[in-house]
Amino acid sequence: QSALTQPASVSGSPGQSITISCTGTSSDVGSYNLVSWYQQHPGKAPKLMIYEGSKRPSGVSNRFSGSKSGNTASLTVSGLQAEDEADYYCCSYAESTTWVFGGGTKLTVL
Amino acid sequence: QVQLVQSGAEVKEPGASVKVSCKASGYSFSGYPMHWVRQAPGQRLEWMGWINTGNGNTKYSQKFQGRVTFTRDTSASTAYMELGSLRSEDTAVFYCARDIGRTLFYWGQGTLVTVSS
Repeated sequence: QSALTQPASVSGSPGQSITISCTGTSSDVGSYNLVSWYQQHPGKAPKLMIYEGSKRPSGVSNRFSGSKSGNTASLTVSGLQAEDEADYYCCSYAESTTWVFGGGTKLTVL
Repeated sequence: QVQLVQSGAEVKEPGASVKVSCKASGYSFSGYPMHWVRQAPGQRLEWMGWINTGNGNTKYSQKFQGRVTFTRDTSASTAYMELGSLRSEDTAVFYCARDIGRTLFYWGQGTLVTVSS
């Protein structure tokens, strides 16, 4: 199963907003409202930021939001802060009870 | 609170097997499936498969099918991942992650497995 497609890198200045896209197919992103987003700092375990496309777990800042259109999901980070600098991965439930991750996006806060 | 504590780092020779454990606490272990995820150095996350911790049923990614085995010990609230026929490309951090509603919700701290002769 092919990885979901994410941009390799995005960047923004403090206070700005950025959006990371995650493109899949009709077998995964397009068919299920089960896209999640993870933040990973170097040497750390991934942390869930968004699940079921747009829901935030308890404790996650409302500066993080998610959406989906067709086969593409998106993560928006508003009011960028230095601590947001990390790698971000999308993940989707897919056919035959499998899951697929994206290639990851490095967010740089300028 | 929910905790997933994984076993420590391992160094293995090519061709050997490694068994990583993931001890759960703070919730009903048998009530939630457990996923396993691999991350090679500098690489993306890869889903390896999952285990129904209640009945032991498993589903493996095609990439790892035949080389990986998931088991669990409900009395110890612990899930295990065993990967065989290790090669250098298997050098990676392996994570367990508890499922909630088909989301990998809570993650262990990761276990580094180094394959080297």
